[in-house]
Parts: sequence; structure tokens; C-alpha cells
Amino acid sequence: KNEVEQSPQNLTAQEGEFITINCSYSVGISALHWLQQHPGGGIVSLFMLSSGKKKHGRLIATINIQEKHSSLHITASHPRDSAVYICAVRPNRDDKIIFGKGTRLHILP
Amino acid sequence: DAGITQSPRHKVTETGTPVTLRCHQTENHRYMYWYRQDPGHGLRLIHYSYGVKDTDKGEVSDGYSVSRSKTEDFLLTLESATSSQTSVYFCAISSRLAGVETQYFGPGTRLLVL
Repeated sequence: KNEVEQSPQNLTAQEGEFITINCSYSVGISALHWLQQHPGGGIVSLFMLSSGKKKHGRLIATINIQEKHSSLHITASHPRDSAVYICAVRPNRDDKIIFGKGTRLHILP
Repeated sequence: DAGITQSPRHKVTETGTPVTLRCHQTENHRYMYWYRQDPGHGLRLIHYSYGVKDTDKGEVSDGYSVSRSKTEDFLLTLESATSSQTSVYFCAISSRLAGVETQYFGPGTRLLVL
């Protein structure tokens, strides 16, 4: 079983829709990251969470440590949000990060 | 982007040849990582470094070696390339500021082993 599971694997939505991507993990963590990878490959860090909620523009990330679950929300989605969104966790007392397989999001105009 | 560059950006090589990929950073970060990205898999850690001459293996380290003789450079060597090592390779650093950790990735190297 993967230690980091994302759902859905693929998501297609219309412009303007509210998007939710989920991430569940099975280990104790010190931090959870959300990353974005656009076609063409560059990977960009969106958020680091250790508790609660963070907001940046139209992106909101939440984490529930007890339930080992995080969500990434996109409000008023736009075609430029089309990308792969990757969840990653840093287990407690570990130098390494474990990545989910990503969620491929496609926003139709 | 934390000043991370990778070279080469694209490489085609033949099975059995050695290949070295270079990751260079300009901001003196301690931790550096090499990942490979393949369809159907998340980013998988090959090796990482926590300082000059300090390295450790990741989950897919077989067939790869690394060296870090200077803070700014982290080299990944495929000792004898195989077709299964065809992949996109990303270098990354981990930066921590005021308790917030940020991962910065290089632009990637596309490697094709024929």
C-alpha cells in the first residue's frame, strides 16, 4: 500500500467550478506539501502545512492531522490551473519526503 | 527557484555507457535530493545529501551513485545505463525559513537510454 494516496487520479472540470483534491497518508508526519507540475515539467511548491489551513489566492489547503488527511481546494477554477497536483509528506524524524502519484487536473474553458 | 540548475537538460545515450547528471545550486542549501519521475509513479528518491561528502540512499538507488564534493554541486552517476533508467530526473533542495519548509526543484533532465 502506498504511504501517500491521492484522489482522484484524474479530474476534468469546467472553468469556474470549485475543485477539491484529496490526500491521505498512513505515517506520522512533521509536514505535508502540495506541489504543482505544469505540462512541460516544472515543479513548484504551493504550500507546506503542519496544521490547520493555508490560503494563497484561489488556492486553499487544509490538513487534519488526527485523520491523516489533507485537501487542496481551488476556487473559481481557470484553464491555467490545469496541471498535476502532487501531495508529499515528510515523516517524523526523517530526512526524506514521500510523494503521492499526483492528480491530473484539466479545466475546460 | 532557489537558483537550481540541472545539466544536461536532455540526453540520449546507449545501454552500458556511464552518464553523469549535474545539479547546481547557488544558495548554500544543506539538503539536496535526486528523484526520478516515471508514468504511474510518484517522484521516487534515488539518493540525497545532507552535507558535503554526506549522502544516503533512497528507495531506488540501485544502479546509481552520487557525489557531493562541494555544497553547490550534487552529481548523479548512472554507472552503466540501462533502458529502465530512461526517465525524467529532478534535483531538489529543501529550504527551511522561520519553521516553514519549502521544496525547490530544478527544471529536470530527460534521459533516454537506447
